[in-house]
Amino acid sequence: EVQLVQSGAEVKKPGESLKISCKGSGYSFTSYWIGWVRQMPGKGLEWMGIIYPGDSDTRYSPSFQGQVTISADKSISTAYLQWSSLKASDTAMYYCARLSATSYIWGQGTLVTVSS
Amino acid sequence: QPVLTQSSSASASLGSSVKLTCTLSSGHSSYIIAWHQQQPGKAPRYLMKLEGSGSYNKGSGVPDRFSGSSSGADRYLTISNLQSEDEADYYCETWDSNTRVFGGGTKLTVL
Repeated sequence: EVQLVQSGAEVKKPGESLKISCKGSGYSFTSYWIGWVRQMPGKGLEWMGIIYPGDSDTRYSPSFQGQVTISADKSISTAYLQWSSLKASDTAMYYCARLSATSYIWGQGTLVTVSS
Repeated sequence: QPVLTQSSSASASLGSSVKLTCTLSSGHSSYIIAWHQQQPGKAPRYLMKLEGSGSYNKGSGVPDRFSGSSSGADRYLTISNLQSEDEADYYCETWDSNTRVFGGGTKLTVL
């Protein structure tokens, strides 16, 4: 079965760093783009950026360029979304998704709460 | 970059049909889009990719009640024989070589 499994919920303080993960299984991890999507409380979906694990080609949406880092470790079929200094406004659900010409596979989501 | 416009809400009765609309911005009317469904408290689910020609490819397990069509810059998602589980947010999405964008989403209420 093709699936993406994301890491668990996180509660952090402003200024802290964080790295959440998205592990792919059931397919060739290096052959598909993986993207990250933010959903703030009660709001819609926003693309943050995408990465091609095969060669680590990474593209960021303008709103998120410089705010987060997307990476991947193909040896363990895992993509990451990372913050160096969290803000309260980073509180959201974050989803990863495998992109392909014929379908998408979504992860189950990781809730990040940033509060002092 | 392309922009997608969706109505914020829609409603229809159980067992009836509803047609949701996603409109591509000027200069992007030929773009392929994808439709995604997000039921309350759940992760999004891919429904289909829809071309400007009206041709569409559904994801695995998506019921036959879901279909797509196109007219100019408009992309449609039609749900027939509405069920209670169809009450959800529906997002369209498109992309080019530099960016990916979602529409604002349509909240569908099944009466």
